[in-house]
Amino acid sequence: GESVGLHLPTLSVQEGDNSIINCAYSNSASDYFIWYKQESGKGPQFIIDIRSNMDKRQGQRVTVLLNKTVKHLSLQIAATQPGDSAVYFCAEIGSQGNLIFGKGTKLSVKP
Amino acid sequence: KAGVTQTPRYLIKTRGQQVTLSCSPISGHRSVSWYQQTPGQGLQFLFEYFSETQRNKGNFPGRFSGRQFSNSRSEMNVSTLELGDSALYLCASSLASRGMSGYTFGSGTRLTVV
Repeated sequence: GESVGLHLPTLSVQEGDNSIINCAYSNSASDYFIWYKQESGKGPQFIIDIRSNMDKRQGQRVTVLLNKTVKHLSLQIAATQPGDSAVYFCAEIGSQGNLIFGKGTKLSVKP
Repeated sequence: KAGVTQTPRYLIKTRGQQVTLSCSPISGHRSVSWYQQTPGQGLQFLFEYFSETQRNKGNFPGRFSGRQFSNSRSEMNVSTLELGDSALYLCASSLASRGMSGYTFGSGTRLTVV
């Protein structure tokens, strides 16, 4: 069935370092992927998205890479800051148009 | 512009009761989706409404229902509450159906069933 999963449940990085959060998806027909950030007590917040006709997209300090061959997504955060500490979810648009989320990776940034 | 507003923020209910949660989408957005978030199951899709019609439904029992009004505000209802219904219920609004215009989430309603 459709599923999106994350390789690592937790990630701890030093402030200023780059962070890489990985995600695997199973539906090869998916054509739209989104990364969300969720802070405690808040709903998921959009970070960046990518469509299947692209393999890389850059935002402010964030880059998403899509490898359709191995059905893998990654989110790279440059110069990670304490404010980046949160749970990060990848999501794909399912066949019904709904979001299918991965389990999430908790990013902790050490000062 | 105002974001997605969910009320109430917190609720405590007893097993067997029913509950209604409310979501006001971003002005102009006609699609409202509901998700349940639990530590064990993560974020799971409940249903989507667009122009007062349920477009899609996830794999939840019939105790979970919803509706959308002409002003795009949406409510979801859970009847005969069970302990396992304790969760954060999130609403997301979108300009169009099927999410290709992106989703914006509210802060959620934290439901505790005792």
